[in-house]
Amino acid sequence: SAVISQKPSRDICQRGTSLTIQCQVDSQVTMMFWYRQQPGQSLTLIATANQGSEATYESGFVIDKFPISRPNLTFSTLTVSNMSPEDSSIYLCSVEYSKNTEAFFGQGTRLTVV
Amino acid sequence: GIQVEQSPPDLILQEGANSTLRCNFSDSVNNLQWFHQNPWGQLINLFYIPSGTKQNGRLSATTVATERYSLLYISSSQTTDSGVYFCAVGQGGSEKLVFGKGTKLTVNP
Repeated sequence: SAVISQKPSRDICQRGTSLTIQCQVDSQVTMMFWYRQQPGQSLTLIATANQGSEATYESGFVIDKFPISRPNLTFSTLTVSNMSPEDSSIYLCSVEYSKNTEAFFGQGTRLTVV
Repeated sequence: GIQVEQSPPDLILQEGANSTLRCNFSDSVNNLQWFHQNPWGQLINLFYIPSGTKQNGRLSATTVATERYSLLYISSSQTTDSGVYFCAVGQGGSEKLVFGKGTKLTVNP
């Protein structure tokens, strides 16, 4: 299984600011994803982080709001931009060693926007 | 897109009881996983089970892909089993996982 380090684990941010979340994996992985879990809800995929190219966003999520970087096969960042209280959620990084194989998740970032 | 339905939405048990959680999905899948989300929000992998049966200690799972459902069995439940159990599926050609809404399990001492 993968060892995934996600930072920060939690944060309280002022509205209008931005937060960058980091995801570091202990070995090279093919697939990296970012999910959002709103309070009391299930997980929803934000985007697939593609190494060396623009991320692939799901319907309802845009690059200006959630810019993603993936400079190599072990690291990715998600930025939540111009935050509002509606962005208060848990954000989770997920990896797969190859397509359609077992997915592993980081411990999540619990974000509160005030 | 594919629909994933989990039942029951909520389940309250006494310690030591057994339970069965169900996951129905609306289309064929080539990836199915069960997760346990603990009270701190961390998702813990339980089973990667696109078909067949697996067992791990007090937990076991069965997926009948042809009938589009999966079951998670918890035996002799413990208070530490409390949390939300998610089923997530993936389809051929799409790497992403689609999650059900989860079953919230509470095990009382």
